[in-house]
This record gives sequence, structure tokens and C-alpha cells, in this order.
Amino acid sequence: AQKVTQAQTEISVVEKEDVTLDCVYETRDTTYYLFWYKQPPSGELVFLIRRNSFDEQNEISGRYSWNFQKSTSSFNFTITASQVVDSAVYFCALRSSSGAGSYQLTFGKGTKLSVIP
Amino acid sequence: NAGVTQTPKFQVLKTGQSMTLQCAQDMNHEYMSWYRQDPGMGLRLIHYSVGAGITDQGEVPNGYNVSRSTTEDFPLRLLSAAPSQTSVYFCASSYGTGQSYEQYFGPGTRLTVT
Repeated sequence: AQKVTQAQTEISVVEKEDVTLDCVYETRDTTYYLFWYKQPPSGELVFLIRRNSFDEQNEISGRYSWNFQKSTSSFNFTITASQVVDSAVYFCALRSSSGAGSYQLTFGKGTKLSVIP
Repeated sequence: NAGVTQTPKFQVLKTGQSMTLQCAQDMNHEYMSWYRQDPGMGLRLIHYSVGAGITDQGEVPNGYNVSRSTTEDFPLRLLSAAPSQTSVYFCASSYGTGQSYEQYFGPGTRLTVT
């Protein structure tokens, strides 16, 4: 069975601080895909990034960066110099390449980030 | 492209009533799915479809029915609404499964059952 754990339920930071959102996953598959989604207060789900299990290269996109470590089954997300617009719930998700897990995204329970001005 | 659209945006039902949540996509995606989001639970898969005429159950299918007669549409039916079905419902679509395809989500339907 697949599982995604986001241990941080809520985080508050002051604007311009850096913040890291943790994501730990469990899967028996050797090939799988990891995702991060953002859910702002308006409620829609916004895709942020996708990472394949065979690509452990870290990625940076503006103030966002992602650290994928297969050895620790983690896919952490860091926001540098946080802004109030970053306030949202962030979800980490996992999808297998085959079998039953390929038909769904398995989501973590989300981390609510509040950035205080 | 409109992407994934859902109607209605909000709905209040009485226990025992039935209704259909509509979902449509204009991206010619084969794969469509329905999730529900409950506080502190993340999103959980209700039903999914890998193409027209093919549907299957997800993690929490009880109380819901789906059909897929066209590539574009994937309605979710609540047969006899219960308070436990109060939730936010998201429809999603993607080109396929088992790949790194991004899932595109609709804006959601907030359902309250009293």
C-alpha cells in the first residue's frame, strides 16, 4: 500500500522567512511519481511540480525548491523569502507507475502554511 | 480550453435526496476521477475512469455512482445523500495513468448534507 505523510499540520512564519514543508512517502514500487499541489484560500488545487523516482536531481523554480531523497523516501519543499501570497494548504502526492496505485494520486493530509506580514 | 469544469459550485441537500455533480473536460483526456476532500484527511479517491465506458472504484466509493458515456463527461451521482457525504468534491483528468502525467483539477463543488 502507498502512503504519504506530511507530519506538519500547520506552520506559521513571518514574511521573508524561509520555510520547509516535509513529505515522506511509502511505496513498494521502484518507479513512481511525486507531486506537490497548492490549495490557496480560494479552494482550487494548483499543480506545482512533478518528480519521477529515477530523477533525484533537485529543482529550483524562483523562490521554490524541492529536495528529493530516495534514500530517506522524502520529497521536501522549501519556500525562500516567504510572502503572504504563499499562505495556503500544500499537498504532497504519490502515484505508482503500474498496478492499482497508478490509477490514483495518494495524497498526504496537507500542511497549512500561514505567512504573517 | 476551459480545462476541467464542475457544476454546481455549492449545493445543500437534505438527507435522503439524490443529486448529480457534473464534471466535464475539453482536453481529450482519457483518465478522469473524483476525489473528496475532508478536513484533516487530504483528498481521497471515490471513483475513476480510464476511458469512455470504463469505470472503477477508488478508496471511498460507497454511496456514489458514476458512468462515462463520453470522453468529456464524468458525472458523480449521490444516490441517497447522508451527512457523512458533506465534503468538497474535486473532479480531475489527465492524459493517462501510470505516467508522470499531471492531473488537472476542477474548481470543486462544496456539498452540505443536512
